[in-house]
Amino acid sequence: DAGVTQSPTHLIKTRGQQVTLRCSPKSGHDTVSWYQQALGQGPQFIFQYYEEEERQRGNFPDRFSGHQFPNYSSELNVNALLLGDSALYLCASSLGRANSPLHFGNGTRLTVT
Amino acid sequence: DQQVKQNSPSLSVQEGRISILNCDYTNSMFDYFLWYKKYPAEGPTFLISISSIKDKNEDGRFTVFLNKSAKHLSLHIVPSQPGDSAVYFCAASAWDFGNEKLTFGTGTRLTIIP
Repeated sequence: DAGVTQSPTHLIKTRGQQVTLRCSPKSGHDTVSWYQQALGQGPQFIFQYYEEEERQRGNFPDRFSGHQFPNYSSELNVNALLLGDSALYLCASSLGRANSPLHFGNGTRLTVT
Repeated sequence: DQQVKQNSPSLSVQEGRISILNCDYTNSMFDYFLWYKKYPAEGPTFLISISSIKDKNEDGRFTVFLNKSAKHLSLHIVPSQPGDSAVYFCAASAWDFGNEKLTFGTGTRLTIIP
């Protein structure tokens, strides 16, 4: 049973560029959340998708956007990249019910130069 | 404003002894708490959780204690094993905020000394 898979594992981009990160949830999960983990910090909530709609959003600018597809997979898009966007981006999936633990992927390491 | 705090960045414990990791929170709306373990180059792995209606939850070698009045929780690992060496994150959520929006602490790096 495949867990949460993310691609790519590493990415290097230049300031001002745009990036798309991808996530496939664990089998049977219908809810996908995205987190940003800066060096030395805990993961910070970006947003969550359920039934192809953004259900919740954290304190991230509109440069961060996402999408969920009918097969529950998801994309995270970041426009006009800044140096400060360099981080580990984690995707997590869950069953979308109360107190259902999140299952995380191994993340995409984004470096902005 | 750090709503979930792990004040010990690192902890070293002898193999076989008890490891105690601590976490404090400030938001009284939090009603569900989790611990995640993270190895290098991997995503966080769910370890154990506790609802605010309980004060203790056990799962094998892992026990989480919740003190709501003090807004404090702790994770006990007994006995500690070398494979427990990892970064441990405390996380919290609130029904009103949407249960799956987790607020994480900054983590504690646990090293088990053989």
